[in-house]
Amino acid sequence: DTGVSQNPRHKITKRGQNVTFRCDPISEHNRLYWYRQTLGQGPEFLTYFQNEAQLEKSRLLSDRFSAERPKGSFSTLEIQRTEQGDSAMYLCASSPPGDRDTQYFGPGTRLTVL
Amino acid sequence: SQKIEQNSEALNIQEGKTATLTCNYTNYSPAYLQWYRQDPGRGPVFLLLIRENEKEKRKERLKVTFDTTLKQSLFHITASQPADSATYLCALTNYGNNRLAFGKGNQVVVIP
Repeated sequence: DTGVSQNPRHKITKRGQNVTFRCDPISEHNRLYWYRQTLGQGPEFLTYFQNEAQLEKSRLLSDRFSAERPKGSFSTLEIQRTEQGDSAMYLCASSPPGDRDTQYFGPGTRLTVL
Repeated sequence: SQKIEQNSEALNIQEGKTATLTCNYTNYSPAYLQWYRQDPGRGPVFLLLIRENEKEKRKERLKVTFDTTLKQSLFHITASQPADSATYLCALTNYGNNRLAFGKGNQVVVIP
């Protein structure tokens, strides 16, 4: 399967713990996006990378959140000191250089904070 | 404030009929609009993109219209099948922007 992959698919953690998610975009896709989706809502934009540069961040991305994309390939999203309100599906998407308008989503990582 | 509105009520439709979903937006100047399908527990899957200078786009049994005067897009599934049952999301991108802004989605249930 050559689609966007995300790991882990599910994560259960206790409040106050740190968690890290990984996204592997489709090969050759230079744009990578992170979104968060809560139940009954559409995805909400968190941040965007072009190659290794983080070019855009949403106000939703508080200082407890950090995202990286070293070497412009895979990306990680870390949440420090998790809160119950962080419980959501975290989605990653990528776009190729020749078609920046279309985003291809991964299966998501479902985070539950107890 | 910016809003993207989709009907919150599920659309129940008989197999073979045409399902029509509506997406209305306010305070956006979208360069283009997209429709995605999402199944429970899965990420959205891209279906169609329509640009602001296009009135209509088709792909197999899917049709999208885009009226920038009414600030509205209609999404049609013709000859609907039970396998079309899913949530359909409308998403906008403003000029000069890279982020997608999504509506809440509209569930479609196709009854055999």
